[in-house]
Amino acid sequence: AQSVTQLDSQVPVFEEAPVELRCNYSSSVSVYLFWYVQYPNQGLQLLLKYLSGSTLVKGINGFEAEFNKSQTSFHLRKPSVHISDTAEYFCAVSDRGSNYKLTFGKGTLLTVNP
Amino acid sequence: DAGVIQSPRHEVTEMGQEVTLRCKPISGHNSLFWYRQTMMRGLELLIYFNNNVPIDDSGMPEDRFSAKMPNASFSTLKIQPSEPRDSAVYFCASSLPPGIGPSEQYFGPGTRLTVT
Repeated sequence: AQSVTQLDSQVPVFEEAPVELRCNYSSSVSVYLFWYVQYPNQGLQLLLKYLSGSTLVKGINGFEAEFNKSQTSFHLRKPSVHISDTAEYFCAVSDRGSNYKLTFGKGTLLTVNP
Repeated sequence: DAGVIQSPRHEVTEMGQEVTLRCKPISGHNSLFWYRQTMMRGLELLIYFNNNVPIDDSGMPEDRFSAKMPNASFSTLKIQPSEPRDSAVYFCASSLPPGIGPSEQYFGPGTRLTVT
């Protein structure tokens, strides 16, 4: 069975500061990893994904994430955040054995303050 | 494309009433997912369909919940009878067939259900 742990439920930062949102996963087979973002009163939208190849993945809005197999992690980073990045961020894992179902973490609320 | 369309956006009903949530996936997508989001449990997959056929309904809480996909452009999630603990935001998502891995899921805006 696969699972996702997002270690921080809330992360407050100041504008233009760097940020890292942590995600650890558990799976017995090769995995596919995703980060989705949810703005207030909206559905989720894809930020970036790791399917194979380079372990450093770049996504939209200046976000990137690094797949670390030995540490079973897929942390999300941005070097300088904006007020508009305030949202909830969800890490998700999938694998072939689960018929490609996505299992989501509980989410991390990123609040960017001026 | 208009994206995934869900209706209604908000639903308030009394305990014991039947509730029907509706979803229109993106044209050409052959997978459809129903999720429930609550503060306590986060985002849970209830059921998903491939080519209109239910593939995995292990997340459906109990027999009060049922989902159908009569054609490629429409799906319903029904709760009968509804209970206060069903209050949540229900999302529908659709995607293309998987390639190397799962395809991106496109989410609708959600239906906020309140059962009093």
